[in-house]
Amino acid sequence: QVQLQESGPGLVKPSETLSLTCAVSGYSISSGYYWGWIRQPPGKGLEWIGSIYHSGSTYYSPSLKSRVTISGDTSRNQFSLKLSSVTAADTAVYYCAREIGYGTHDYWGQGTLVTVSS
Amino acid sequence: QSALTQPASVSGSPGQSITISCTGTSSDVGSYNLVSWYQQHPGKAPKLMIYEVSKRPSGVSNRFSGSKSGNTASLTISGLQAEDEADYSCCSYAGDYLVFGGGTKLTVL
Repeated sequence: QVQLQESGPGLVKPSETLSLTCAVSGYSISSGYYWGWIRQPPGKGLEWIGSIYHSGSTYYSPSLKSRVTISGDTSRNQFSLKLSSVTAADTAVYYCAREIGYGTHDYWGQGTLVTVSS
Repeated sequence: QSALTQPASVSGSPGQSITISCTGTSSDVGSYNLVSWYQQHPGKAPKLMIYEVSKRPSGVSNRFSGSKSGNTASLTISGLQAEDEADYSCCSYAGDYLVFGGGTKLTVL
């Protein structure tokens, strides 16, 4: 059974960098597929952030590309998200997910709320 | 890059069928058969219901079906049940990125 678990600070100050990690169990991220991040502001819809392929290549949302970095750590079987220069608009529940095809996310983490506030 | 357009809400009675639309452009929905649908109950993570326009993952009820015509994809739920009450979101590949819809709240009356 594939499981994903997000972790990281629940509170980030404006202008700082948001950092989250997704630990994967039940499947080796180096074996295949994309591994992605999606967020959901309170009361709003889902927003795709970006994904990393098992080979290390990435693709990002055009609207967030200048601020986003997704990286993988195959030794720990986890991947990470960094979002720089955050504002209140970045407050959201952040999900990590396995992407078995473009847009096909079959396993999701439970999500973690990140609040941007001073 | 604009979100796909979904109705904010739809409703139906138990046993009825409903359809949720997801309208994009010729650059996303209209160009690729890579539309997926997700069900999300309050406080829970999304669940994949349909992928590649009309394919159902193992374990998803055959009451859920997907289709596409031009720039609009659709999710149909037949034989509505109380447990189907949730938010539904579509997602499409757009060439070198993904785009989600704004989400539709389904109410089972």
